[in-house]
This record gives sequence, structure tokens and C-alpha cells, in this order.
Amino acid sequence: DAGVTQSPTHLIKTRGQQVTLRCSPKSGHDTVSWYQQALGQGPQFIFQYYEEEERQRGNFPDRFSGHQFPNYSSELNVNALLLGDSALYLCASSLGSTNEKLFFGSGTQLSVL
Amino acid sequence: GENVEQHPSTLSVQEGDSAVIKCTYSDSASNYFPWYKQELGKGPQLIIDIRSNVGEKKDQRIAVTLNKTAKHFSLHITETQPEDSAVYFCAASRGGLSGFQKLVFGTGTRLLVSP
Repeated sequence: DAGVTQSPTHLIKTRGQQVTLRCSPKSGHDTVSWYQQALGQGPQFIFQYYEEEERQRGNFPDRFSGHQFPNYSSELNVNALLLGDSALYLCASSLGSTNEKLFFGSGTQLSVL
Repeated sequence: GENVEQHPSTLSVQEGDSAVIKCTYSDSASNYFPWYKQELGKGPQLIIDIRSNVGEKKDQRIAVTLNKTAKHFSLHITETQPEDSAVYFCAASRGGLSGFQKLVFGTGTRLLVSP
């Protein structure tokens, strides 16, 4: 049973560039949430996707956008990268938009130089 | 806005001792309280959770207690082992029939269990 998989594992970008991160949910799950984890901090909610629509959004600017595909996989896009966007980006999946039991992937470590 | 405070930030114990991590939440509508363990290079892993209609829950060496009046909840690990060493996060959510709400995480506790 495949767990949540994320790609790439590491990424280095420069300020102003754009980045796309990818996530495949755990087998059988249909809901994907994205979290940002700064060094030494707890994860912060970015947004949640269910039925290919953004359902909930945290306190993140419009530079952060996402997409969910019919196979439930998801992408996180960040435009106009800032140094402060450097963080571990975590994808979590669940079964149903109201299910709080989240299963996390290992994340993508993004470094913005 | 919602806030979850977690203490201590670091905790060092000897193998076999107990460890206690405490969290306080601000949103009185929160009704779901999970605990996650994060090992180096990995994502958070759910280890135990509790809902607001339950005061205590145990799973082998791990237990969680909830005091709704004080808005406190705690993680208790007994008979600690070196493999318990990791960063532990508490979180709170006000999810319900109206739809999933975001998990608000604490800042984490680094637990070190020495042999």
C-alpha cells in the first residue's frame, strides 16, 4: 500500500523564479492538503483540495496556488519566490474532506537563494 | 486567530523514564487533537489522537489527556526507548460536519532519550 509520495525531495531556486511541487496521495485517499514547515517550526496550513477544487485556504498570499487532478494527485505552485519561501513543503492526504486524520509525505525541501 | 502553544521545546530523559509534553489551545471550538511524531528527514506521522468528548486515550506506552475547561492537552510516553527520540507536534482542529478545518500545529518538542 503506497503512502503519500512527493517529488522532488529537494529543490534549489533563486528569488523571483516559479516552482511546482507534486504529490500523490495515499492509495484510496481523495483529499490533499499542503503545509509549509519552516525550520524549527510546526507545519502551517496552506490549502486543501477535494474534488479538484480548493476547499480551505490558510493565510498565504495568492502567489501560492494549487491544482488537483482527476486521479487525486496534486500540485503546489509558488510564483515570484522570496527568500522567506525556503521551507519544507508537506503534502498530506485523507479520505474525505471532513476527515481530520492526515497522512503526511516526507516533503519537498525548497531552498530559495 | 487560532493558536497552539507547546512546552517544553526540548526534553531529555533517560531510557525507561516517562516523558510529558503539554499543549494549550486558544479556540474553544476545537474538537480534535492529534499528536504527530517527526523523525529526521521524514514527514509527521500520526501517533495518537483524541476528540473533545473523551478525556483520556491510551495506546500501549502512549497516552493523551484532554482538559476542555482549561483548554490543555498532554502527551504521556512511558518506559521511553531510544527510538522514541524525535520531534513531537501537537495540533488542534475544529473540524466537523461543516467541513474539514485546518490543523493548527504547536511549535514542536524535541525529545531525546538517552540509553
